[in-house]
Amino acid sequence: NAGVMQNPRHLVRRRGQEARLRCSPMKGHSHVYWYRQLPEEGLKFMVYLQKENIIDESGMPKERFSAEFPKEGPSILRIQQVVRGDSAAYFCASSPLEGREQYFGPGTRLTVT
Amino acid sequence: AQSVAQPEDQVNVAEGNPLTVKCTYSVSGNPYLFWYVQYPNRGLQFLLKYITGDNLVKGSYGFEAEFNKSQTSFHLKKPSALVSDSALYFCAVRENAGNMLTFGGGTRLMVKP
Repeated sequence: NAGVMQNPRHLVRRRGQEARLRCSPMKGHSHVYWYRQLPEEGLKFMVYLQKENIIDESGMPKERFSAEFPKEGPSILRIQQVVRGDSAAYFCASSPLEGREQYFGPGTRLTVT
Repeated sequence: AQSVAQPEDQVNVAEGNPLTVKCTYSVSGNPYLFWYVQYPNRGLQFLLKYITGDNLVKGSYGFEAEFNKSQTSFHLKKPSALVSDSALYFCAVRENAGNMLTFGGGTRLMVKP
């Protein structure tokens, strides 16, 4: 049973470009969570999605950031017009049911130059 | 609002000695408490959780944690540390009806041979 998959593992973007981060949850998991980790800091919640629905986006910046979890395919975290402050590790987690423990992917390390 | 505090940025311990990594939390409802470990350039690995029941919870790799409601603490412990335990440890809390995990800032554990 493969774990949570994230790709790419490393992403370099210039300021102003778009970044797309993908997350495939564990088999049988329909709940996906995105977190951001700045250097030497803990993880900060961004958004919680179920298939085709955003349940809680209270941690998402109001502009340039969006997330989706379509009926088919991976969850996507999209950052438009990236800035240097977006450089961070972005982790995806999944769980089989609401309220169960979350299993984390290896993360995508975004570097904005 | 829920919060987690890990008061120590780093804990140093000699191999074979017992270790404790401290965590205190604040939630308005019943807490669900978790410990995760992160190795360099890797995602978070789940160690253990407290939902209800016995205050002493046993987890992976010989780790355990004690829930103390009066002190709102959930300290991580291991009777005999290994060099391979050296990593970054995160405590997290979730209210029983909530979705998002709130993480502490992390504690770096260094086990010296």
